[in-house]
Amino acid sequence: KQEVTQIPAALSVPEGENLVLNCSFTDSAIYNLQWFRQDPGKGLTSLLLIQSSQREQTSGRLNASLDKSSGRSTLYIAASQPGDSATYLCAVRGNTGGFKTIFGAGTRLFVKA
Amino acid sequence: GAGVSQSPRYKVTKRGQDVALRCDPISGHVSLYWYRQALGQGPEFLTYFNYEAQQDKSGLPNDRFSAERPEGSISTLTIQRTEQRDSAMYRCASSLRRQETQYFGPGTRLLVL
Repeated sequence: KQEVTQIPAALSVPEGENLVLNCSFTDSAIYNLQWFRQDPGKGLTSLLLIQSSQREQTSGRLNASLDKSSGRSTLYIAASQPGDSATYLCAVRGNTGGFKTIFGAGTRLFVKA
Repeated sequence: GAGVSQSPRYKVTKRGQDVALRCDPISGHVSLYWYRQALGQGPEFLTYFNYEAQQDKSGLPNDRFSAERPEGSISTLTIQRTEQRDSAMYRCASSLRRQETQYFGPGTRLLVL
């Protein structure tokens, strides 16, 4: 059974700092991994999708990496801004059976001005 | 273009009543997903459709929950004989194909009294 863990659960950093959010998964038989952002009381916004054959994806100040063999992904945020404050969720899609998507519990990020 | 829409946005019902939650995916999206999200947690997978075929329903908690997508577009999640523990945010997502980015709707907040 796939389990997805995100560390840390919460993070507070000063504006301008570079930071790394971690996601680990127990079953390496994945189809893809997706990072989302969720603002309080709002829906989920897709940030980056990494297919199982890829090692990383970049969008603006965001870079996500994937190491399937070790069951890890990281989301790197460069030059953090107060507007980056949100919960960041990692979602892993399996490639067997029904292709179920499993989410981690998220990392709550607060960027201080 | 229009994103994923869900209706109603809020639903208050009495224990024992049936409820139907609707999801209208992005036009042309083949894959559709239902999730349930508790406060402070990541979404929990319920079920997945490819076109009109329900390919994975392993996340449905019990036989009071069912979902359909008869014409491969709009989907309905039905909860029969609701219980207080069914109270949660129910989220729908769609993707162009199953290996691609999932886009989420705003969710339906269900409260069972």
